[in-house]
Amino acid sequence: DAGITQSPRHKVTETGTPVTLRCHQTENHRYMYWYRQDPGHGLRLIHYSYGVKDTDKGEVSDGYSVSRSKTEDFLLTLESATSSQTSVYFCAIRDGSGANVLTFGAGSRLTVL
Amino acid sequence: QQQVKQSPQSLIVQKGGISIINCAYENTAFDYFPWYQQFPGKGPALLIAIRPDVSEKKEGRFTISFNKSAKQFSLHIMDSQPGDSATYFCAAVNNNDMRFGAGTRLTVKP
Repeated sequence: DAGITQSPRHKVTETGTPVTLRCHQTENHRYMYWYRQDPGHGLRLIHYSYGVKDTDKGEVSDGYSVSRSKTEDFLLTLESATSSQTSVYFCAIRDGSGANVLTFGAGSRLTVL
Repeated sequence: QQQVKQSPQSLIVQKGGISIINCAYENTAFDYFPWYQQFPGKGPALLIAIRPDVSEKKEGRFTISFNKSAKQFSLHIMDSQPGDSATYFCAAVNNNDMRFGAGTRLTVKP
């Protein structure tokens, strides 16, 4: 998927445990995003980054934190997972020039029991 | 509140038919309207996009119609093929604010 790798692709965890999802890009794009996809809601933005150590909240950021210590890596952390965070999580990148086009990764399916 | 409303939720079309998916938005600050196509197990991928200064954009069998005054836009897929079976998302964008519709699952029957 165009230089974006998400890991893990599948994870099952229990309520209350911490979870970290990783997004790695080889495109050297400035912007990186984390979305969650749920039936009936489409894709909703959790957090995004506009540079190393520069991040901002999206529309559904509660219960999530992010970090970007290198251009190529954007981490999404659930400090204490809840069942409502069961979802498919997508990372996306954008180079910041020209049209506002997102390139998405293949997704990470998270199940919180 | 969903800033982009998309309909229908699901659509079944015969091969060769026209598929039409509609979206409506509220925020007039949106200035870019892409459509994404998603196959099972994959991430969404950009299909076609339009800016509000034009009323229509066509790429092959895919056409976006845009009505700025009504704050509505739609995707038309002409001569629909089984390979077009996927979930389609409309979106409305203003800088880093990209809002997606809830998605339409299209099935094209052979």
